[in-house]
Amino acid sequence: DAKTTQPPSMDCAEGRAANLPCNHSTISGNEYVYWYRQIHSQGPQYIIHGLKNNETNEMASLIITEDRKSSTLILPHATLRDTAVYYCIVRGTNFGNEKLTFGTGTRLTIIP
Amino acid sequence: DAGITQSPRYKITETGRQVTLMCHQTWSHSYMFWYRQDLGHGLRLIYYSAAADITDKGEVPDGYVVSRSKTENFPLTLESATRSQTSVYFCASSELVSGTQYFGPGTRLLVL
Repeated sequence: DAKTTQPPSMDCAEGRAANLPCNHSTISGNEYVYWYRQIHSQGPQYIIHGLKNNETNEMASLIITEDRKSSTLILPHATLRDTAVYYCIVRGTNFGNEKLTFGTGTRLTIIP
Repeated sequence: DAGITQSPRYKITETGRQVTLMCHQTWSHSYMFWYRQDLGHGLRLIYYSAAADITDKGEVPDGYVVSRSKTENFPLTLESATRSQTSVYFCASSELVSGTQYFGPGTRLLVL
């Protein structure tokens, strides 16, 4: 799996959009970008994933650059409950890609 | 919709004792996974299972045993607990081998 690089921490004001960047310059053509978050003491929570097109669901939007070397997770209206560690994971679809490799992630703090 | 549950949520045991951590999912997902999370290591895959009676090792399987007699259950047994197995254990499931994994709430295990 391709390695990802994320800033260690970010702050965002409550009600504003939180934009979390991720670099994955060595991503392969069949590798997806996944985002998970982990709220303190809880299990990782799936947020969204994509291959090359932008994706949106009820939780967030995922913007992937055209060259696929970076992506941004957008939480449109951040709330205090969005305070968590956010993980960007690149993962292939072939056998041998069973595990999710969590890096150190970005610790997002929502400021009241 | 119960999803994926783990029991017990907290466990204290002594070195040398056998401990079994339970995982149950209600989605009929084919794949189930066990991870452990330690400070400085992120999440590491212990074992996974593709279906009932099919299991395979992850990256840190030593000291653990798994079984899967029913699709919905995937117990993890520490046959002779050691202090190094003090950790938070997460179970996950997914429909496909490289599909989105959904995590349980975790079991905090302390080995004295």
